[in-house]
Amino acid sequence: NAGVMQNPRHLVRRRGQEARLRCSPMKGHSHVYWYRQLPEEGLKFMVYLQKENIIDESGMPKERFSAEFPKEGPSILRIQQVVRGDSAAYFCASSLLANSYNEQFFGPGTRLTVL
Amino acid sequence: EDQVTQSPEALRLQEGESSSLNCSYTVSGLRGLFWYRQDPGKGPEFLFTLYSAGEEKEKERLKATLTKKESFLHITAPKPEDSATYLCAVQARTSGSRLTFGEGTQLTVNP
Repeated sequence: NAGVMQNPRHLVRRRGQEARLRCSPMKGHSHVYWYRQLPEEGLKFMVYLQKENIIDESGMPKERFSAEFPKEGPSILRIQQVVRGDSAAYFCASSLLANSYNEQFFGPGTRLTVL
Repeated sequence: EDQVTQSPEALRLQEGESSSLNCSYTVSGLRGLFWYRQDPGKGPEFLFTLYSAGEEKEKERLKATLTKKESFLHITAPKPEDSATYLCAVQARTSGSRLTFGEGTQLTVNP
């Protein structure tokens, strides 16, 4: 009965490289959310996806960031040409359905460090 | 814009010393208010969802309550293992499924 899985748990990239973060939702969950936690700040919503669809990307930076949730496989958050300000913990959450009657369960996070 | 403010930022208690954490919110139509616990280096762990003013939920030493403007997380006779950061989040009817989080209250319970 695995929970939300994220990998890698820690990722180090140099400025200008690409970072690819993966999230496998809980079994049976088809709704995935990505949040970012900057140092000394709260969790901020980035994007909400269902299988093969981006539902809400209002929290996603307009450039360099993209997300997908393909029909098969995990959800991917991709950051191109990383900068030091991208250093943060990135959390994925999943839910069974999309309203508040279905809680969002979080994974352990990926801690991205940009050198 | 949805806003969540948690207080205090940090709270230090002795084992057995009961207290409350506050979460004040401003949303255009509350769909749900959520409490999570986060341990260092880990993801948030779901605790409670509250949907309407007057609602209360309990789990072990924790009890969450909700009014039209704020929520309280009451901790009764805390133990050192209750030490964590407690996060409050709201989901608004106009904001889709996203959660808006407060910055959390860091609770330390000394033995």
